[in-house]
Amino acid sequence: DTAVSQTPKYLVTQMGNDKSIKCEQNLGHDTMYWYKQDSKKFLKIMFSYNNKELIINETVPNRFSPKSPDKAHLNLHINSLELGDSAVYFCASSQDLHEQYFGPGTRLTVT
Amino acid sequence: GNSVTQMEGPVTLSEEAFLTINCTYTATGYPSLFWYVQYPGEGLQLLLKATKADDKGSNKGFEATYRKETTSFHLEKGSVQVSDSAVYFCALKPGNNRLAFGKGNQVVVIP
Repeated sequence: DTAVSQTPKYLVTQMGNDKSIKCEQNLGHDTMYWYKQDSKKFLKIMFSYNNKELIINETVPNRFSPKSPDKAHLNLHINSLELGDSAVYFCASSQDLHEQYFGPGTRLTVT
Repeated sequence: GNSVTQMEGPVTLSEEAFLTINCTYTATGYPSLFWYVQYPGEGLQLLLKATKADDKGSNKGFEATYRKETTSFHLEKGSVQVSDSAVYFCALKPGNNRLAFGKGNQVVVIP
């Protein structure tokens, strides 16, 4: 009964490839997020969706495109992967303005 | 803007020692304040929170008090265990959904 789940947990790929990370939450929350955590553990918000609508879109290369097919899912698609995209990506969800619940993370390594 | 500052560098201490991690913030209005913990290889978990001045959040022996006069939310635990080894993030959330995280502090507890 995992609250926020992400797949895959690990993703190793070559530069130039396109990849997707999936996120699902079973908490009934209406808001979902993507964060990037770099090698120094610094967390940066990338996107946020509320009821399938984009509400936060930080300064992120347009190679990154979030997609929310329904309010329980928020996927992240990355085109033309670069070395600098290597990081851990976290999905999170919240209900209204309450605290956020995080997924276990996807460690992306670009070689 | 809204930002959180955590003390620099990892924290290494012996089991049963007293732990303090400093957190100060800059915010407009009256934000909610949080401490999140990230155990090795896992996502972030909410440790405790406080939503207004003078509130004290507590959980698992950890405490933090929302101090508006000093714009601080320092985390404390009286007697740490090896299992408390993790990265600790201070965060604030103003009226919108945008969580602002500090840079995190790695805590290492030695038996």
